[in-house]
Amino acid sequence: DQQVKQNSPSLSVQEGRISILNCDYTNSMFDYFLWYKKYPAEGPTFLISISSIKDKNEDGRFTVFLNKSAKHLSLHIVPSQPGDSAVYFCAATHSGNTGKLIFGQGTTLQVKP
Amino acid sequence: GAGVSQTPSNKVTEKGKYVELRCDPISGHTALYWYRQSLGQGPEFLIYFQGTGAADDSGLPNDRFFAVRPEGSVSTLKIQRTERGDSAVYLCASSPMGTSGSSNEQFFGPGTRLTVL
Repeated sequence: DQQVKQNSPSLSVQEGRISILNCDYTNSMFDYFLWYKKYPAEGPTFLISISSIKDKNEDGRFTVFLNKSAKHLSLHIVPSQPGDSAVYFCAATHSGNTGKLIFGQGTTLQVKP
Repeated sequence: GAGVSQTPSNKVTEKGKYVELRCDPISGHTALYWYRQSLGQGPEFLIYFQGTGAADDSGLPNDRFFAVRPEGSVSTLKIQRTERGDSAVYLCASSPMGTSGSSNEQFFGPGTRLTVL
């Protein structure tokens, strides 16, 4: 069973516009969520995270929103830049476990100049 | 500074052979994780080490897979009698400690692409 789902395999936006990447989860035990970015032939790199005690976390152009009742989170990138083109993974974990991450399938973002 | 490194970057082997994949974590990181990423999927957890011991191996798919971290630093993932379905990118990550939360960001290596013919 897929505990973390990213239902959009790909997203294309124009440079300067907003990119919104979505993620849904099923396990109510999850209390910490992360977004990773991955370029080809490289490992995922950490982008931004949010604890379940918050509903929003912002870091520069990146904002993550968490809706616990809907078990949904989203990553907003504004303004989008061509260098943001990559695969974005949503991941979840819960305190009391070993810190292992449960990843979604990923969304490929293309930002067009 | 040096990040997580993995060798080899690519490994092609024949069905039934034995392979070893190596991970060098960031110095001082006590927690080390192995993940496997199949085409079109996200990374899937395999095993977690805290120091020298495997604290969670619940993600290993079967007994053909084994991993060690004898001195609490470098780790080796070993796969016996490889099958075509083992073909994937094997990712290693390390973190300062093995807990969830902001203090435990996982830093990933570039991965080893394993192809079983």
